[in-house]
Amino acid sequence: DQQVKQNSPSLSVQEGRISILNCDYTNSMFDYFLWYKKYPAEGPTFLISISSIKDKNEDGRFTVFLNKSAKHLSLHIVPSQPGDSAVYFCAASGAGANSKLTFGKGITLSVRP
Amino acid sequence: DTGVSQDPRHKITKRGQNVTFRCDPISEHNRLYWYRQTLGQGPEFLTYFQNEAQLEKSRLLSDRFSAERPKGSFSTLEIQRTEQGDSAMYLCASSSRGQGWFPAFFGQGTRLTVV
Repeated sequence: DQQVKQNSPSLSVQEGRISILNCDYTNSMFDYFLWYKKYPAEGPTFLISISSIKDKNEDGRFTVFLNKSAKHLSLHIVPSQPGDSAVYFCAASGAGANSKLTFGKGITLSVRP
Repeated sequence: DTGVSQDPRHKITKRGQNVTFRCDPISEHNRLYWYRQTLGQGPEFLTYFQNEAQLEKSRLLSDRFSAERPKGSFSTLEIQRTEQGDSAMYLCASSSRGQGWFPAFFGQGTRLTVV
């Protein structure tokens, strides 16, 4: 069973506009959420994270929003750039020192020049 | 520091053969993780080490799989009697307390093809 779901496999956005990538989870024990970006032929790269005690975390052009009641989080990229074109994975972890992550299937973002 | 390094990048093997992959983490990172990724899926947790101690193994890691981190530095992942279902990208990641122990840095992976 998919505990972390990224239901949209792809997203295409015009350069300069906002990209919104969505992620849903089912396990209420998840305590920490992360987004990773992956380019072809490379490993995933950590992008941004958020703890369950927060509802927003911002880092430059990237903002992650968490809605615990809806078990939903989203990654906003503003403004989108062609270099942002990649696969984005949402991941979640339980509390404690065991930082084992459960990943979603990923969303392929294409930013059109 | 050149990041997490994995070797080989690609491996093609015949069904039934044994294969071994190596991961060199970022130096001084205490934690080392192995994940597996198949086509169209996100990475799936296999196992992780805290220094040389293997602290958890996923049920995905059958008896044919073994991982070691003998001196708390590099790690090896061995698959015995490979099967076609083992074909996947095997990813290694490392982290330290500074990253909240989360696998912030992944290697480029070893792509295994079992024919």
